Amino acid sequence: GAVVSQHPSWVICKSGTSVKIECRSLDFQATTMFWYRQFPKQSLMLMATSNEGSKATYEQGVEKDKFLINHASLTLSTLTVTSAHPEDSSFYICSAPSLGGGETQYFGPGTRLLVL
Amino acid sequence: SQQGEEDPQALSIQEGENATMNCSYKTSINNLQWYRQNSGRGLVHLILIRSNEREKHSGRLRVTLDTSKKSSSLLITASRAADTASYFCATEVTGNTGKLIFGQGTTLQVKP
Repeated sequence: GAVVSQHPSWVICKSGTSVKIECRSLDFQATTMFWYRQFPKQSLMLMATSNEGSKATYEQGVEKDKFLINHASLTLSTLTVTSAHPEDSSFYICSAPSLGGGETQYFGPGTRLLVL
Repeated sequence: SQQGEEDPQALSIQEGENATMNCSYKTSINNLQWYRQNSGRGLVHLILIRSNEREKHSGRLRVTLDTSKKSSSLLITASRAADTASYFCATEVTGNTGKLIFGQGTTLQVKP
């Protein structure tokens, strides 16, 4: 089946630094990818929709200048957490729908971010 | 924003018993999906039920969907200790293909 990878799987950084998380579709093309955030013992919250070749669409309450999304190719979307603070510590998960906008969503394994 | 509510929030049962989790949502949907997540890990897709379907089976899983009540249930039969995980429903909202709104989740513990 289709696979979505994320890199890194975990990262620890100092407050104030920026962290880039990559989401790759390994054996299929994805014109759209989704970024979710999950705080401990909570559910997944959709942050934004990443669109290849155009600007990302952010959900209400998500700061677009803080969470920069770039979808540079049909297989790669990146999420950059700028000037990270401890409250940004979370589990970040991406997903990509199957080609053609089908129902099946393929989720990445997630990236755990800890900001000290 | 969160679409769904799940109940119970936590469920503890003995191995061999059945586990039922419920999910409610607020808007029209294309489909509803159930996912499983082991502690600190990624999501595993369990089953998808379309808005025009009422029931679906996959192995020990049975999912129902009642669009008039905007609710769904997931039944796991003959539970095993390995079923211990968090279970989430997620709805694909009509007109927003691919975008999933997750419920709050149910934490299931199956005791051996």
